[in-house]
Amino acid sequence: KNEVEQSPQNLTAQEGEFITINCSYSVGISALHWLQQHPGGGIVSLFMLSSGKKKHGRLIATINIQEKHSSLHITASHPRDSAVYICAVKGGTSYGKLTFGQGTILTVHP
Amino acid sequence: DVKVTQSSRYLVKRTGEKVFLECVQDMDHENMFWYRQDPGLGLRLIYFSYDVKMKEKGDIPEGYSVSREKKERFSLILESASTNQTSMYLCASSLVADLSGELFFGEGSRLTVL
Repeated sequence: KNEVEQSPQNLTAQEGEFITINCSYSVGISALHWLQQHPGGGIVSLFMLSSGKKKHGRLIATINIQEKHSSLHITASHPRDSAVYICAVKGGTSYGKLTFGQGTILTVHP
Repeated sequence: DVKVTQSSRYLVKRTGEKVFLECVQDMDHENMFWYRQDPGLGLRLIYFSYDVKMKEKGDIPEGYSVSREKKERFSLILESASTNQTSMYLCASSLVADLSGELFFGEGSRLTVL
């Protein structure tokens, strides 16, 4: 069983819909990253969380440390949001290492 | 604008060839990382470096070596490429060694070994 599980693996939405991507992890962590990867490969860091909630534009990320769970929300989705979203966690004692989820493939249709 | 640049976006090499993948960052970060990304396996850490001439093995270092002679440059070396090293390779850098800060990634290098 992976230490970091994302759901769903694939998500299709219509433009304007509210989207939620979930990330559950099984180890204690000191930080959780949400990353975005567009077709072609480059990865962009969206958020780094250690507690609570962060918002940037139409993106909101939350984390519940007790439940070992994080969510990434996209409000008013747009076709340009189509990408792979990856959750990665930094364990408390794992110096220099992140554990990555498998990624969620999001497709937003116009 | 901060930048991590990987030298080649696409490479095709033959089995047994020596392959160099170069990564340069302009943010004066001490910490640099090499990952490979494969379908169904996600990103896996090959090596990382937290200072010039310092390196640490990641989860899958076998068949790879690295070089960090200057702070801005971190090279991944495949001494004798094999077909199972066909993959997407991603370089990243971070200001903070414990990864509690933002990660910056390059565009990736897609390597095919024939």
